[in-house]
Amino acid sequence: KNEVEQSPQNLTAQEGEFITINCSYSVGISALHWLQQHPGGGIVSLFMLSSGKKKHGRLIATINIQEKHSSLHITASHPRDSAVYICAVNKVYSGGSNYKLTFGKGTLLTVNP
Amino acid sequence: DGGITQSPKYLFRKEGQNVTLSCEQNLNHDAMYWYRQDPGQGLRLIYYSQIVNDFQKGDIAEGYSVSREKKESFPLTVTSAQKNPTAFYLCASSMAGTHGRGYTFGSGTRLTVV
Repeated sequence: KNEVEQSPQNLTAQEGEFITINCSYSVGISALHWLQQHPGGGIVSLFMLSSGKKKHGRLIATINIQEKHSSLHITASHPRDSAVYICAVNKVYSGGSNYKLTFGKGTLLTVNP
Repeated sequence: DGGITQSPKYLFRKEGQNVTLSCEQNLNHDAMYWYRQDPGQGLRLIYYSQIVNDFQKGDIAEGYSVSREKKESFPLTVTSAQKNPTAFYLCASSMAGTHGRGYTFGSGTRLTVV
């Protein structure tokens, strides 16, 4: 079982819809990241969370440390939001640094006009 | 503007040849990473470096080598020992520290073995 699981794998929405992508993890973490990968391949960091909630424009990220779960919400979705959204975590473990990332497989979002 | 530059964007290699992928950053980040991405899989760590002249193997280091002679540069060599080298390779950097703040990714190199 992967340490970071995302759902759904694929998501198709109509422009204007509210979108939620989920991420569950099974390890202790110091931080969780949401990343965006466009078709060209480059990755952009959207959020880094260790608790609570963050908002940037139409994007909202939340994390529940007790439940080991995070969600990424997109309000008023637009075709330009179409991308792969990736959840990643900094694992905590003894004897080593924890700034390496462990990644989920990503969620492919397609927003149709 | 600060960022990470990966080159080339597309690379073709014949079987049995070594090839080196370039990664340069001007963010003054201490840590640099190489990840491999295959269809349907999450990114996997190949090598990482926390400081100049030091680097550690990641989860899938076999068939790869790296060097960190300068803070700004972390080239990855895909050797002929790598059995399935066709993939998308991403370089990243961050400030060292307990939370890996400020991750920045490059635009990637797509390697195809022909």
